[in-house]
Amino acid sequence: GESVGLHLPTLSVQEGDNSIINCAYSNSASDYFIWYKQESGKGPQFIIDIRSNMDKRQGQRVTVLLNKTVKHLSLQIAATQPGDSAVYFCAENTGGFKTIFGAGTRLFVKA
Amino acid sequence: EAGVAQSPRYKIIEKRQSVAFWCNPISGHATLYWYQQILGQGPKLLIQFQNNGVVDDSQLPKDRFSAERLKGVDSTLKIQPAKLEDSAVYLCASSLIPGEELSFGPGTRLTVT
Repeated sequence: GESVGLHLPTLSVQEGDNSIINCAYSNSASDYFIWYKQESGKGPQFIIDIRSNMDKRQGQRVTVLLNKTVKHLSLQIAATQPGDSAVYFCAENTGGFKTIFGAGTRLFVKA
Repeated sequence: EAGVAQSPRYKIIEKRQSVAFWCNPISGHATLYWYQQILGQGPKLLIQFQNNGVVDDSQLPKDRFSAERLKGVDSTLKIQPAKLEDSAVYLCASSLIPGEELSFGPGTRLTVT
């Protein structure tokens, strides 16, 4: 959901567990979706993307699931590591040009 | 390949002053973006260039913000005059294909006092 100021939605997981970060997108016409990771003091970094003609895509330790019926996107991180601690943003793209970012979720990994 | 370069990394100015940010995108990336990221929020697109032409500037406060991309490579974003609410990180990004796999620079953190 929306965050205000510093109050980002937060997910705390134990090292080695799987993480699931959820995102609701707004535009039913969006046809391309991307997950970005942002570490403190850095710009967002591309993780994985998925097009609207797919419902699942896997990368290295990450999986993105897309449910167009309810306009929901999720990012699954397997065997979460301390280096995965960051803010994760989903982004949607309509018509191949304008990329709109969500509010973000902060992931804490406990050692 | 070298990433997106931005300067300066930090800038502190007083309200009503002017400031400029510079961005050098990844070589060969025709699409360049400027985003504004307020603390605790997701990046908000200010302007998007395709080569040296503007594709989208619908959220750019044009009374005080301006941007250019001369020769379709480097870009500058200017704010004049700055307001307190302009305090944010200004991110430059570039991509080979419009809207896909944006590569971001480290950002410029602007504080307006």
